[in-house]
Amino acid sequence: KQEVTQIPAALSVPEGENLVLNCSFTDSAIYNLQWFRQDPGKGLTSLLLIQSSQREQTSGRLNASLDKSSGRSTLYIAASQPGDSATYLCAADNYGQNFVFGPGTRLSVLP
Amino acid sequence: NAGVTQTPKFQVLKTGQSMTLQCAQDMNHEYMSWYRQDPGMGLRLIHYSVGAGITDQGEVPNGYNVSRSTTEDFPLRLLSAAPSQTSVYFCASRITANYGYTFGSGTRLTVV
Repeated sequence: KQEVTQIPAALSVPEGENLVLNCSFTDSAIYNLQWFRQDPGKGLTSLLLIQSSQREQTSGRLNASLDKSSGRSTLYIAASQPGDSATYLCAADNYGQNFVFGPGTRLSVLP
Repeated sequence: NAGVTQTPKFQVLKTGQSMTLQCAQDMNHEYMSWYRQDPGMGLRLIHYSVGAGITDQGEVPNGYNVSRSTTEDFPLRLLSAAPSQTSVYFCASRITANYGYTFGSGTRLTVV
């Protein structure tokens, strides 16, 4: 059974810092890995999708990498801003049927 | 293009009542899923569908029914509501297996 963990559970940084969020999964036979952002009381917004044949994806200040052999993905946020404050969730696509979600990392960027 | 639309946004039910949470997408996505989100438990899969007429159970299916008669709609039915079903419910869809999910804005359900 696929299990997804995220470290750290919470993170507080001053504005302008670069930061890394970590995601680990137990079954390396994943199709895709997707990173989401969730603001309090809101739905999930997709940030990046790394398909099985890819190793990383970039969008603006965000870069996500995927290492299937080690069961890890990282989300790198450059030059963090207070507007980046949210919970970040990673999800591993299990055999192309459905995503298994991690518990999330709650990020606070202080002005 | 409205994306994934969930209704209602909020609902209060009494124990034992039944109701249907609606989910519709206008993107011609084949795959649709229902998740519930609870504090400390994260997002857990209830039911999913890989196409019209095809549904399957997820991690926490008990107390819920689904059907998929059209590509666009994937309603979730609570048969006899229980306080343990108090949660935020999210519907999601994607084109096929090699694509990411688009989520609806959620339904916040309270069972008293």
